Amino acid sequence: GAVVSQHPSRVICKSGTSVKIECRSLDFQATTMFWYRQFPKKSLMLMATSNEGSKATYEQGVEKDKFLINHASLTLSTLTVTSAHPEDSSFYICSARSSGRVEGNEQFFGPGTRLTVL
Amino acid sequence: AQTVTQSQPEMSVQEAETVTLSCTYDTSESNYYLFWYKQPPSRQMILVIRQEAYKQQNATENRFSVNFQKAAKSFSLKISDSQLGDTAMYFCAFMKPTSGSRLTFGEGTQLTVNP
Repeated sequence: GAVVSQHPSRVICKSGTSVKIECRSLDFQATTMFWYRQFPKKSLMLMATSNEGSKATYEQGVEKDKFLINHASLTLSTLTVTSAHPEDSSFYICSARSSGRVEGNEQFFGPGTRLTVL
Repeated sequence: AQTVTQSQPEMSVQEAETVTLSCTYDTSESNYYLFWYKQPPSRQMILVIRQEAYKQQNATENRFSVNFQKAAKSFSLKISDSQLGDTAMYFCAFMKPTSGSRLTFGEGTQLTVNP
């Protein structure tokens, strides 16, 4: 149990276009989902926290108009990178916290999405 | 704000031997959780072990155990009988229960297990 999927796993887009990444909790309801960005051989950097039915909370320095987050249901959150530029190329990871699992406040991670902007 | 420090960017160990990864953290909280995550080349984040700060007993999960020193704010991970599949990036992470499950990660330690 506690599986989180991400789609797509890899995406290549042209500069100036928008890209949407989906994060789904497959076997549990996720009241809270998190979006991270990871550069090669670096740690995970939290971009934003999204709660179902409310606006996402963005970390300092993250442009909310560029990285649009929608958490419309208890099993789905989306990250849209708008007007993508080559510097947005990165590995994006989502995680989810279950509304029903409180033991250890564990987050369950998706497999990540590699975005390449040409 | 909490900070997590992993002072060993890279480590290597021979197969079947034991290795210890270091982690220190800084917080003024008394109740919190600590985690070790593993990120293999597939880049899927995998929970290795968790420790609740109010528990004095060190957590263990098969070949993985921690040395939790609350006063020293230290949380090291010991891997016994290292296997080739243990080769991965290991991240130490801190969570304050009242922070909505936000994780603060350390910089990571790349562990290589050599045959």
